[in-house]
Amino acid sequence: QVQLQESGPGLVKPSETLSLTCTVSGGSISGSGYYWTWIRQPPGKGLEWIGYIYYSGSTNYNPSLKSRLSISLDTSKNQFSLKLSSVTAADRAVYYCARERHTQYLNYFDSWGQGTLVTVSS
Amino acid sequence: QSVLTQPPSASGTPGQRVTISCSGNSSNIGRNSVNWYQQLPGTAPKVLIYENNQRPSGVPDRFSGSKSGTSASLAISGLQSEDEADYYCATWDVSLIVFGGGTKLTVL
Repeated sequence: QVQLQESGPGLVKPSETLSLTCTVSGGSISGSGYYWTWIRQPPGKGLEWIGYIYYSGSTNYNPSLKSRLSISLDTSKNQFSLKLSSVTAADRAVYYCARERHTQYLNYFDSWGQGTLVTVSS
Repeated sequence: QSVLTQPPSASGTPGQRVTISCSGNSSNIGRNSVNWYQQLPGTAPKVLIYENNQRPSGVPDRFSGSKSGTSASLAISGLQSEDEADYYCATWDVSLIVFGGGTKLTVL
């Protein structure tokens, strides 16, 4: 059973870069068929897909965040990471890492981290 | 404003059947399968229905999904108190994943 765990600062200053890491256990991020994804949820609001990285290193980002976003992979540590630059109060949210099972016929998030709240404040 | 439209709230009494709708368009639901996620208070979402109507192992058969054209629905029969949660539909829209705004289900 794969498990995901987010880690990183819970407080980021406005205009700085938000950095989070997701550590995957119980499975390898180097295999095909899965997209390693970030999703966020502002307190009391709905879910927003941020983007994903594939084991090959290819990425796909939400156009609304693309100019500030970078998702990377560290296969040696079985981790993937999120960097979101120039943050504002609007980026305050619970950030989830998730695994999307993605094949020709299936695509859904089958595993989620517990989520981590990131607040943007000076 | 979410790309997929869900009613913000729904309610029912124990034992009742409730349905939650999810409306999209030809670029999302109209051409892709729909997944449903359940988010219990204070927890991460978990998949409830994938590929329109498939249940992962462990999900009770009280939960069912359907899709027609550019809309999808989640039905919950035999409503139980533990079903009180937020429910989200999701699908691909061209090259990104979009979610509905979520429906808060209250068990009266």
